[in-house]
Amino acid sequence: ETGVTQTPRHLVMGMTNKKSLKCEQHLGHNAMYWYKQSAKKPLELMFVYNFKEQTENNSVPSRFSPECPNSSHLFLHLHTLQPEDSALYLCASSQGDRGFHSSNQPQHFGDGTRLSIL
Amino acid sequence: GQNIDQPTEMTATEGAIVQINCTYQTSGFNGLFWYQQHAGEAPTFLSYNVLDGLEEKGRFSSFLSRSKGYSYLLLKELQMKDSASYLCAVRANTGGFKTIFGAGTRLFVKA
Repeated sequence: ETGVTQTPRHLVMGMTNKKSLKCEQHLGHNAMYWYKQSAKKPLELMFVYNFKEQTENNSVPSRFSPECPNSSHLFLHLHTLQPEDSALYLCASSQGDRGFHSSNQPQHFGDGTRLSIL
Repeated sequence: GQNIDQPTEMTATEGAIVQINCTYQTSGFNGLFWYQQHAGEAPTFLSYNVLDGLEEKGRFSSFLSRSKGYSYLLLKELQMKDSASYLCAVRANTGGFKTIFGAGTRLFVKA
């Protein structure tokens, strides 16, 4: 139990479907992250929310849309995905990023959602 | 640009010692993390180094040389449960703080 819960654990969807991934953290953190993990590739940072403000959008296609209604919840809305979007999507949280003074704060990850696009 | 290199796979024997290396190129270096990730599970934090030298935590130790852009994770008294991927991640200030991950090293521990 990492304190970060992601649902669903597995998702199979067609390219025309709309679905959402959910992440919830119970650690009192103020920063939340979405990562994409593909086989044998580095974790790719997608989005960062720091104190509910989006501070990073790492050139992610618009078919992925994040939402952070409060510091404990993070969503990733999916629409018209492509087969190459099939991957493990990981959510993480950490103490709010205040620059240098947050440097030693690790990220706490959820178990991820395994997404398959048909 | 930023780049992190680590071996793709390693194999070691139960009870032995293994060293997993990580080299990085980045500007605005602000610390290096090691994470462990078992198959189908979340990455979990192992260690953090920001100053040169060795940090020891039980069976696991992590070393950093900032001048060489080099770190290693040392695992002693290997156990079968140590079979996992080990991710090296660098925190950098590139006009904003960001953590960049390597592709990970898959460690297989054999009996």
